Amino acid sequence: GAGVSQSPRYKVAKRGQDVALRCDPISGHVSLFWYQQALGQGPEFLTYFQNEAQLDKSGLPSDRFFAERPEGSVSTLKIQRTQQEDSAVYLCASSLAGAADTQYFGPGTRLTVL
Amino acid sequence: GQNIDQPTEMTATEGAIVQINCTYQTSGFNGLFWYQQHAGEAPTFLSYNVLDGLEEKGRFSSFLSRSKGYSYLLLKELQMKDSASYLCAVRDPGRGFQKLVFGTGTRLLVSP
Repeated sequence: GAGVSQSPRYKVAKRGQDVALRCDPISGHVSLFWYQQALGQGPEFLTYFQNEAQLDKSGLPSDRFFAERPEGSVSTLKIQRTQQEDSAVYLCASSLAGAADTQYFGPGTRLTVL
Repeated sequence: GQNIDQPTEMTATEGAIVQINCTYQTSGFNGLFWYQQHAGEAPTFLSYNVLDGLEEKGRFSSFLSRSKGYSYLLLKELQMKDSASYLCAVRDPGRGFQKLVFGTGTRLLVSP
């Protein structure tokens, strides 16, 4: 089976543009997570879905960040009016179901805001 | 909040053994993970410890001491391909232990 996939792999945006980042989790995985990874740092939690329900969005840095997973499978992270500080790698992870399950990561989308 | 400390960088020689330490402080504990991340790639799962002791998996072993808030990842018979960042992470006790809190990662450089 395929792993977690993300697209695009690289995105360059001008400051003020909106971007949408896509995540395809492992088939059958109920839980989906978004993390942000700055250069030389570990991933930091952004938000978490269980099926289509967004159960935790405490890590979203501002109201310019929005995530959805309308059918409980593919998820999109949208960033409005991008700023230079949004430049980072955005990682998506999925896990089978509950808190005891291992999270498997996708390759990430590297966002550069000019 | 949670706090995780690990060395920023380590170097070792091909064929040697290296131990990467991780200390953590957390208000609740439900497991510690080690991930390997090559530059520009996805973090890949290496190990999971929830009980004290050593878990061995091929060339990689992971140890946990809950009373000391301490873990280490042991890599034996180092190969050049082991050059990567190694991320230590614990589950955050808030909202059902779902999210992971990561350390900054230890960049390991293996030289010939």
